[in-house]
Amino acid sequence: AQSVTQLGSHVSVSEGALVLLRCNYSSSVPPYLFWYVQYPNQGLQLLLKYTTGATLVKGINGFEAEFKKSETSFHLTKPSAHMSDAAEYFCAVSMFSGGYNKLIFGAGTRLAVHP
Amino acid sequence: EPEVTQTPSHQVTQMGQEVILRCVPISNHLYFYWYRQILGQKVEFLVSFYNNEISEKSEIFDDQFSVERPDGSNFTLKIRSTKLEDSAMYFCASSDPGTGKAGELFFGEGSRLTVL
Repeated sequence: AQSVTQLGSHVSVSEGALVLLRCNYSSSVPPYLFWYVQYPNQGLQLLLKYTTGATLVKGINGFEAEFKKSETSFHLTKPSAHMSDAAEYFCAVSMFSGGYNKLIFGAGTRLAVHP
Repeated sequence: EPEVTQTPSHQVTQMGQEVILRCVPISNHLYFYWYRQILGQKVEFLVSFYNNEISEKSEIFDDQFSVERPDGSNFTLKIRSTKLEDSAMYFCASSDPGTGKAGELFFGEGSRLTVL
C-alpha cells in the first residue's frame, strides 16, 4: 500500500528565508510524486511532479523538489519565501498505470510567511 | 488550457436531503475521480470511474454515495441522504491517458457542501 507522511503540520518562516517542507512516502513500486498547493478557499494547484528521469524537479513559483529513493523522500524547497507563498501544501504519491492515477495525499503542511 | 469545472461552488442543504454535485472533466480524459476534504483535514480519495463503471472506491464511499456519467460530458456525485459529517469540499478530477501529462490529475475548483 502507498502512503505519504508530511512532517510538520505547520511551518513558519520569515519572508526571504528558505522554505523546506518535508515529505516521505511509502510505495512498493516506483512512485510518481507530486506537490500541490491550496490557497484559502481555493482548489488544488499542481506545483510540480516527479515521474521518471531527473530527480530534481522544478515547479512553478520558484519551488523545486528532489526525489531521493534511498531516503524515500520528496522534500519541497524554495530558496526565498514570499508572502504570497502562504498556503497549504500537500504531498501526494501515486502508482500511475495506463492513464489511471489514484493519488494518495499527505495530511498537508500549512506554510505561514511573516515579514 | 482545458480545465475541470464543478457546480455548484457551494451548496447548503438540510440533513437527510439528497445532493448532486456536478463535474465536467476535460474532454479527452478517460478516468474520473472524486475526492473529499473535510475542513482542515487531508484530501481523501472517494472513487474512480472508467468506462462507465466504478474502477475503485474507498471505504468512505458507502451506499449513500453514487456516481454516474449521464451523458458524454458530465460526471456526477450523488449523496442520497446527507449527514452532518458529509460537510466537506468535494473535488472532481480527471486524468489524461496520453504522454506528457502522465500521472497528473487535473482538479476542479471544488464544491463546498454544508449540511445543517
